[in-house]
Amino acid sequence: GNSVTQMEGPVTLSEEAFLTINCTYTATGYPSLFWYVQYPGEGLQLLLKATKADDKGSNKGFEATYRKETTSFHLEKGSVQVSDSAVYFCALRRDTGRRALTFGSGTRLQVQP
Amino acid sequence: DVKVTQSSRYLVKRTGEKVFLECVQDMDHENMFWYRQDPGLGLRLIYFSYDVKMKEKGDIPEGYSVSREKKERFSLILESASTNQTSMYLCASSSGRSEAFFGQGTRLTVV
Repeated sequence: GNSVTQMEGPVTLSEEAFLTINCTYTATGYPSLFWYVQYPGEGLQLLLKATKADDKGSNKGFEATYRKETTSFHLEKGSVQVSDSAVYFCALRRDTGRRALTFGSGTRLQVQP
Repeated sequence: DVKVTQSSRYLVKRTGEKVFLECVQDMDHENMFWYRQDPGLGLRLIYFSYDVKMKEKGDIPEGYSVSREKKERFSLILESASTNQTSMYLCASSSGRSEAFFGQGTRLTVV
């Protein structure tokens, strides 16, 4: 079946540090890949997405590249801010069949000033 | 902006009660979803619907049912609430195979 594995958190960084949150997936075919972010007390918001191999999604300084050869979609940001503190979820959606997203367990990021 | 609205942010219910969680979206999306979110487990799919009066079981449907009488509204029903259903419940909607848009969540506590 489909699954998404994320690095466990929490990840604690100082402001302006480099961020990587690892995400790998298992799926047949050519899934679409997503990163969602959840700020405290809120629902999930789409951060970025990629729909085919070698695509790079980017938004608000965050980037992730769809690597089919390593089945990965790692999230990166060059310089984090305190306001980036949140929980980050990696997710996939199959290209056929069920349209629902399959999520990883989430990674909490804490950025200290 | 797409808006997905869940009727309550916080609910406290007693064991054995029948509980209704309501979700409304305003973008004419055909797909709607109910997830529950628990620490360390991420989001798990309870039920989903691709059309009015249509429903399909997700990965953890036991103890839940759903209703979709109108395209914009998708209700989650806990037939007899139990303490292990204490969780955050998230509703989402989407069109085709586009990204999903989420509501703000309902934190349900069953005592």
